[in-house]
Amino acid sequence: EADIYQTPRYLVIGTGKKITLECSQTMGHDKMYWYQQDPGMELHLIHYSYGVNSTEKGDLSSESTVSRIRTEHFPLTLESARPSHTSQYLCASSGTYNEQFFGPGTRLTVL
Amino acid sequence: GESVGLHLPTLSVQEGDNSIINCAYSNSASDYFIWYKQESGKGPQFIIDIRSNMDKRQGQRVTVLLNKTVKHLSLQIAATQPGDSAVYFCAESRGFQKLVFGTGTRLLVSP
Repeated sequence: EADIYQTPRYLVIGTGKKITLECSQTMGHDKMYWYQQDPGMELHLIHYSYGVNSTEKGDLSSESTVSRIRTEHFPLTLESARPSHTSQYLCASSGTYNEQFFGPGTRLTVL
Repeated sequence: GESVGLHLPTLSVQEGDNSIINCAYSNSASDYFIWYKQESGKGPQFIIDIRSNMDKRQGQRVTVLLNKTVKHLSLQIAATQPGDSAVYFCAESRGFQKLVFGTGTRLLVSP
């Protein structure tokens, strides 16, 4: 079944730890996106990719980094987590048309 | 974590009433528009889309209206149900460019 997956769904971690949020899609989409969203707030685009080896920063400045080595995989990494990184992180992908399909999100809490 | 952005506006309706959620978009060259529904703890889900060559499009219990003259998009939900309670986002795009999301509106349906 074509879908988009995010792991972990929930993550509680201490300050200074390195973390990687995983995102995979089985729809063969070229375009993938990462959004940051605080509860009850707007979506903010932090990274996107239009294909393998292509990554761009989004509208909201973020200390995270991304990579796109395979079409289906778009992980997001925080080298040193801080409490200000506590948020929900949503991954999405889109194909030929602009409709984006979202994953379930990862809720990150940094203590 | 530090919240980014504005708290969402809220629309409160009674069960069975019709709901109208409005969205003003910014780019007069946008040619594709989409509405998403986001339930608590989940990623946004596609509801309905419309292209700029149309003024109206209907789905199951939902209708999207596009007024290009005033750059306004609306989502109408007929016979609103408690399960419709969620945050609703509009988004626009031009050509193959990425979606630009609106602020979002929280819909609260009371029995």
